[in-house]
Amino acid sequence: QQQVKQSPQSLIVQKGGISIINCAYENTAFDYFPWYQQFPGKGPALLIAIRPDVSEKKEGRFTISFNKSAKQFSLHIMDSQPGDSATYFCAASKGGNNNDMRFGAGTRLTVKP
Amino acid sequence: EPEVTQTPSHQVTQMGQEVILRCVPISNHLYFYWYRQILGQKVEFLVSFYNNEISEKSEIFDDQFSVERPDGSNFTLKIRSTKLEDSAMYFCASRLGANQPQHFGDGTRLSIL
Repeated sequence: QQQVKQSPQSLIVQKGGISIINCAYENTAFDYFPWYQQFPGKGPALLIAIRPDVSEKKEGRFTISFNKSAKQFSLHIMDSQPGDSATYFCAASKGGNNNDMRFGAGTRLTVKP
Repeated sequence: EPEVTQTPSHQVTQMGQEVILRCVPISNHLYFYWYRQILGQKVEFLVSFYNNEISEKSEIFDDQFSVERPDGSNFTLKIRSTKLEDSAMYFCASRLGANQPQHFGDGTRLSIL
């Protein structure tokens, strides 16, 4: 079954701390792993994405770590800010066409000032 | 920056009625998608559309649903006979081509009474 499991469901972090959200997938055919950020009343916005040929990708304060053998990937937000408070979704798709993208259940991140 | 636009932002419909949700994808994009998000739950894939035909659809996308690209700019989702459980946020997304990320609109909140 094409599932993506995400944890934790919610996360509270102090300003300046590191936020870590984890995802695991089942289908080894998945080859594109994006993270989306969603604010209330808005659609998901692409934050960062990785393909399985690399183990890590960094863009500013956001880093994806990817473990192909464990079928896991995680999002690290360094120096977390109150403006990062949002719901974060991991996702996965296959075939290089990222059709039929499967989303995790989401993590509601709260960064306290 | 170009964006995906969806109308209306909120649609209220009586159960059993037909509803059409409208999307204007980013102008040079070639792949189009519909997703839904039941309140507080994850984003679920409904259908993808390329070259004027459905390329993939999920088990949620049954005979009550249809999609159309009636002209060069709009992409619509029709639900023929709405049910209470169709109440959700519906997101449209588009992407330029293979190996490109999907860009989401801000969604239409569909409320079935």
